[in-house]
Amino acid sequence: LAKTTQPISMDSYEGQEVNITCSHNNIATNDYITWYQQFPSQGPRFIIQGYKTKVTNEVASLFIPADRKSSTLSLPRVSLSDTAVYYCLVGDTLQIYNQGGKLIFGQGTELSVKP
Amino acid sequence: GAVVSQHPSRVICKSGTSVKIECRSLDFQATTMFWYRQFPKKSLMLMATSNEGSKATYEQGVEKDKFLINHASLTLSTLTVTSAHPEDSSFYICSARDQRAGFSYEQYFGPGTRLTVT
Repeated sequence: LAKTTQPISMDSYEGQEVNITCSHNNIATNDYITWYQQFPSQGPRFIIQGYKTKVTNEVASLFIPADRKSSTLSLPRVSLSDTAVYYCLVGDTLQIYNQGGKLIFGQGTELSVKP
Repeated sequence: GAVVSQHPSRVICKSGTSVKIECRSLDFQATTMFWYRQFPKKSLMLMATSNEGSKATYEQGVEKDKFLINHASLTLSTLTVTSAHPEDSSFYICSARDQRAGFSYEQYFGPGTRLTVT
């Protein structure tokens, strides 16, 4: 799994768009980028996964530039309930599958949304 | 969506006793489950990979005799913390992959178990 770097914490206000950037300079050709969300005292939850350009679902968007050395998770119009830790993971899904599927989490970004 | 449950959600035990935590996949079968522990304000640390019908694979530094893992069926894995001590107090989380998921990165996590050893 490629090493990732994220900001330790971010603050935002309700209604704002929040962008959390993850650096992964050593990303390999077969690596995918995945984001998980964890609320306090709960297990993480899969948010979104992408390989290049832009991916959007009902929760978030993921922007990946052409060099893929970074990615940005975008949360539109956050609310208080988006206060959580967001983890960026980068890895080769096939390799992960062959090695049993284990995930290694980095430090994550603690997002605090204020009223 | 796929649901993973854990029981109990929180447990308090005395030092020296053993505690068993159950992890169940409710609506899918999981050949492989994973156990993590998480300290306050810290990230998840993978402890071991639980394989149905075979021995668990432990990460480096995790005492296999202290953290006993059993994966007796495709929907149940258990973690037993033996001879618990206060330093074992932590948030224990399990996760599972749907064996039909193929190469998907997605794992389903349980709600966690808060263990407090007094």
